[in-house]
Amino acid sequence: SQTIHQWPATLVQPVGSPLSLECTVEGTSNPNLYWYRQAAGRGLQLLFYSVGIGQISSEVPQNLSASRPQDRQFILSSKKLLLSDSGFYLCAWSVKSRITRNYGYTFGSGTRLTVV
Amino acid sequence: AQKVTQAQTEISVVEKEDVTLDCVYETRDTTYYLFWYKQPPSGELVFLIRRNSFDEQNEISGRYSWNFQKSTSSFNFTITASQVVDSAVYFCALSEVDNYGQNFVFGPGTRLSVLP
Repeated sequence: SQTIHQWPATLVQPVGSPLSLECTVEGTSNPNLYWYRQAAGRGLQLLFYSVGIGQISSEVPQNLSASRPQDRQFILSSKKLLLSDSGFYLCAWSVKSRITRNYGYTFGSGTRLTVV
Repeated sequence: AQKVTQAQTEISVVEKEDVTLDCVYETRDTTYYLFWYKQPPSGELVFLIRRNSFDEQNEISGRYSWNFQKSTSSFNFTITASQVVDSAVYFCALSEVDNYGQNFVFGPGTRLSVLP
């Protein structure tokens, strides 16, 4: 069965420090991968999505970047964190289909990032 | 462009009451998919239901039921005899099938508090 792993679960980082959040998927190949952010008390904002190795699409301009070095690995990074980067970060994967199969996203357990 | 509206930001009910969470969507596609996700306090997003645009049958799963009406572009979610464990943020989502698979739009979420 497919599983998605996301770590760390919580992180407290000072302003200006770098960030690296990792997400890996098991039990499937060639998935679509996504990074979402949820600010406190707010909805989900799509940050990046990837349809393949090295292919990253950014939905919003920001202080963050993403990379997909392997088929089932998706990394969210920042060189210098800002206070506004605080939030709950969720990784997700989905099957890739042009036809009718659409089972929705499967989400990781999330990383709660606090920038101080 | 796709859009999902959840007009109810927060709802509070007393245990055993029925509660309906509203979801209204916009899309120009004839083929699309609608979802509900639950986000408990732990943060992880849990898939509840998927419905495709060709299937307007209402669905019941235990205390949960969903009412899909294309005529009003609504996909409402009802919890019967609510319980404290139902307290969570609930997200409605819309997916159009693009060339690469899936492209989700989430609503802003409705925070449901079930009081004992």
